[in-house]
Formats: sequence, C-alpha cells, structure tokens
Amino acid sequence: AQSVTQPDIHITVSEGASLELRCNYSYGATPYLFWYVQSPGQGLQLLLKYFSGDTLVQGIKGFEAEFKRSQSSFNLRKPSVHWSDAAEYFCAVVPTGANNLFFGTGTRLTVIP
Amino acid sequence: GAVVSQHPSRVICKSGTSVKIECRSLDFQATTMFWYRQFPKQSLMLMATSNEGSKATYEQGVEKDKFLINHASLTLSTLTVTSAHPEDSSFYICSATGWDLTDTQYFGPGTRLTVL
Repeated sequence: AQSVTQPDIHITVSEGASLELRCNYSYGATPYLFWYVQSPGQGLQLLLKYFSGDTLVQGIKGFEAEFKRSQSSFNLRKPSVHWSDAAEYFCAVVPTGANNLFFGTGTRLTVIP
Repeated sequence: GAVVSQHPSRVICKSGTSVKIECRSLDFQATTMFWYRQFPKQSLMLMATSNEGSKATYEQGVEKDKFLINHASLTLSTLTVTSAHPEDSSFYICSATGWDLTDTQYFGPGTRLTVL
C-alpha cells in the first residue's frame, strides 16, 4: 500500500544536539517530497522540498534533508537544535501524477535545556 | 512570498448554527485550494480540493452538504460548516498552490472551531 511513514512519534533532544527525523515512503515512482513544521495551534510552514536533482536539500532554519532512493527515505536533519525548534514535524509526498499531499503521522520534537 | 491567511483564527458557535471560514492567498493566485481537518495530536486529513470556478472534489467520507466549499476567485476560498455539531469541533487548515508554485502547497495558520 502507498504510504508515508514517520516511525518516531516523539523525539526528545538536548539543545545544541544534532537531530535526525526519519521519513520513509512507499510509492512506485519517486514522489515529490516535503517537510513541514507545525508549532502548537498554528498552520504548517514549509521547511524544504525535493523534486529532483541534488539529493541533499537545504531548507530554512538550518534544516536539511537527504533523499535516498535505495532506502525510499527522506530524513530531516539539523546539526544543532535550538529550543525554538520544538514543534511537530510532518513529512509529506505528492505522488507522481497527483496533486494531493499525503502526510505522515508526524513526529513531535521536544527540546530540553 | 506565498502567504496564505485564514479568518477567523478561532470561532465558537452554538450547535445548529453555520460557520464560514475564509482562506485567502495574499500574494499569489491560487488555482487550487485544499481544506484539511486536524484532530488533536494527529496528522492532517484532506477534506476537499477546489479549483477556482469549479465545484470542489470531496474526499471519501466527507459530507459535501455539511462542508460547503466555494472557490469563487483566484485568491479566496470559503468553507462553511452547516448546522454545526460538537463533533465538528476541530482545527481546520487550508492550503493553496498556484501556477508558479511548482506543486508546492502553502498553508494558512488554521482556524480553531469549537461548537458548544
């Protein structure tokens, strides 16, 4: 079945530590790939996206993501987390030929001092 | 660029009344707008997709007579929750994409609906 999987429901990291949020997808052809962030009670903000080309994508707020075709993954990374990064992170895809976004279940990030 | 607004940000209404939520693209023409619903601590659930000037396409299980969507212009879409009931209480988020936005959806800040 086609799906977007975020295996980690909740991650806690210390401020200044590195971060990696996992995302795997299951689609026949490589979809368009996105990471969004949602602060409590807010809408979603686009962090970065991958359509084609360089597999390492730079986004806003110091985030980056790497597309790995062999692993059907699009993991989000940040070298040093700030307290303001605490939020819910959603991986999403637009399958080939579609225009709808399909979301993962989200990963809640807690940052401790 | 690519800013989407929603109004109101929060609304409380009595059961049986109707509520209208507006979604506007502020700096681009939104050829397609999407309406999502989000329950607490859950992901977004797509309710419907609307193209400017056309009828909305509703996802399976979404009552089109209850959730009326209008996309009359390239910058405005409205969602009207008719005869609201407490189970309609939720966080409603719209998104939009346009000709020059290369398949990327930009989201509004959301509307918190509470039905008493």
